[in-house]
Amino acid sequence: EDQVTQSPEALRLQEGESSSLNCSYTVSGLRGLFWYRQDPGKGPEFLFTLYSAGEEKEKERLKATLTKKESFLHITAPKPEDSATYLCAVQLSGYSTLTFGKGTMLLVSP
Amino acid sequence: DGGITQSPKYLFRKEGQNVTLSCEQNLNHDAMYWYRQDPGQGLRLIYYSQIVNDFQKGDIAEGYSVSREKKESFPLTVTSAQKNPTAFYLCASSSEEPTDTQYFGPGTRLTVL
Repeated sequence: EDQVTQSPEALRLQEGESSSLNCSYTVSGLRGLFWYRQDPGKGPEFLFTLYSAGEEKEKERLKATLTKKESFLHITAPKPEDSATYLCAVQLSGYSTLTFGKGTMLLVSP
Repeated sequence: DGGITQSPKYLFRKEGQNVTLSCEQNLNHDAMYWYRQDPGQGLRLIYYSQIVNDFQKGDIAEGYSVSREKKESFPLTVTSAQKNPTAFYLCASSSEEPTDTQYFGPGTRLTVL
């Protein structure tokens, strides 16, 4: 069965304290891996898509990387406004649907 | 502004009643999706449609129904057969070009009283 596992479930950081979130997957035929940010009570906001191992993408304080078995979302010098739940999802070859992990809830304290 | 709208934002329903959640997009996307989100759970796919007048069941379709009569609209009906309907419902849309990325609406929170 295709699975997506995110860790940790929750992470608390001090402002400026860099860290990484993990998304591991066991699927056959990965087409793409997606990262979203979700604020409480709102819909997910698209961040990145990664398509092949070794690929990296950056946006402000966030950088996403992809290997054959997992993806990392690195957060450099986070600010309180980076507090949110970060969702990872995989898309299989030949399909348009996504399989989501349960998310990592990030809290950045000032 | 292009985007996805969902209405209402909050919805209350009595047990035994059917209720319809609205989802509209003006992004000219071919595909549309409905997900359910429960506390501590990831998003789970209810139904999706890749073209007008056609749709497929997702992982948790029991107790739900959809229609796709127009490209812009993909309403979801939560029927009385859905045993645990209280949840946050999210609609998304995507287009194959250029990236097949799914973009989400703001969500509807359904509470069964």
